[in-house]
Amino acid sequence: DQQVKQNSPSLSVQEGRISILNCDYTNSMFDYFLWYKKYPAEGPTFLISISSIKDKNEDGRFTVFLNKSAKHLSLHIVPSQPGDSAVYFCATRMDTGRRALTFGSGTRLQVQP
Amino acid sequence: GAVVSQHPSWVICKSGTSVKIECRSLDFQATTMFWYRQFPKQSLMLMATSNEGSKATYEQGVEKDKFLINHASLTLSTLTVTSAHPEDSSFYICSARRDTNQPQHFGDGTRLSIL
Repeated sequence: DQQVKQNSPSLSVQEGRISILNCDYTNSMFDYFLWYKKYPAEGPTFLISISSIKDKNEDGRFTVFLNKSAKHLSLHIVPSQPGDSAVYFCATRMDTGRRALTFGSGTRLQVQP
Repeated sequence: GAVVSQHPSWVICKSGTSVKIECRSLDFQATTMFWYRQFPKQSLMLMATSNEGSKATYEQGVEKDKFLINHASLTLSTLTVTSAHPEDSSFYICSARRDTNQPQHFGDGTRLSIL
């Protein structure tokens, strides 16, 4: 049973427009959320995170929004650039135990020039 | 930024061979390292969590005698796939974390192909 879901396997956006990647989770015990970006044959690169006490965190072109009541988070990239084309994974963890990450299945973003 | 180095990046070997993969945190001390496996077009699946100086914690369904993990120092963890078979072919990725309040930083992965 998937605890973290990224229902869109792919997304295509025009350069300069906003990219919105979505992620849903089922376990209300998750309290820390991260987004990673991954290029083929490379490991994921940490992008941005948010703790459950916040509903928004911004870092340059990247903003993560968290809606705890809906168990939903999203990553906004604006403006999108061709170099943003990659697979984006959301990940979550609980604030207890090993604090291991649980990953979504990823969304492949393609930014068209 | 935090750098995690994983070596080798690609291994092709015969069935029955044991393969060792190294994961090093280059510019920080990692109290915890993680090993993941990724099948094509699927998510990263956690295999085990490794703390320096103690035994690794394996996820359900992961054979600890098959996937040996050693975390001998705060900057090095190794994963040994023993007597590898074609079904062990996959992309293996490690990650390292300074402490529980920091994000995990990933290596570039090792593509293992068993013939």
